[in-house]
Amino acid sequence: SQTIHQWPATLVQPVGSPLSLECTVEGTSNPNLYWYRQAAGRGLQLLFYSVGIGQISSEVPQNLSASRPQDRQFILSSKKLLLSDSGFYLCAWSVSTGEQYFGPGTRLTVT
Amino acid sequence: GNSVTQMEGPVTLSEEAFLTINCTYTATGYPSLFWYVQYPGEGLQLLLKATKADDKGSNKGFEATYRKETTSFHLEKGSVQVSDSAVYFCALNLWGRDDKIIFGKGTRLHILP
Repeated sequence: SQTIHQWPATLVQPVGSPLSLECTVEGTSNPNLYWYRQAAGRGLQLLFYSVGIGQISSEVPQNLSASRPQDRQFILSSKKLLLSDSGFYLCAWSVSTGEQYFGPGTRLTVT
Repeated sequence: GNSVTQMEGPVTLSEEAFLTINCTYTATGYPSLFWYVQYPGEGLQLLLKATKADDKGSNKGFEATYRKETTSFHLEKGSVQVSDSAVYFCALNLWGRDDKIIFGKGTRLHILP
């Protein structure tokens, strides 16, 4: 069966520090991968998606970036965090059956 | 454009009450429709889905029917439990290669014992 992992689970970082969040999927090949952000009490905002290795599409301009160095690995990064980057970051995958499957999330607090 | 509108919460019910969370959509083409549930501090879980008109998705006592004529996909449960307290998201997929999903804003449900 397929599983998706995200780490770390929680992170507290000062403003201006770098960020790296990792997501890996097991049990499937060539998935579409997605990064979402969920602000406190709010809905989901799609940040990036990828349909293959090295293929990244950005949905919103921001100081975040994404990379997909391997088929089942998706990384979210920032060189300098802002206070507004705080939130709950969710990774998801799909294999063209329509639905997406989500990881457990990373709670990021920028102080 | 394509969008999903769901009733704003929070919705507060007593245990064993009947639940309806309304969801309507606007879409070009023939979307698949989903309900996701998010428990506190967790990621989203797919609750149920329907891929064509008049399909009924069901899971864990929840049901939703794809109504093309009213562009709706309302979530229902006959008798809610305290453990159903969560945020519920209605969503649609337009079946592009990228499989992007459009989510509603979510409805928070509180069930009182």
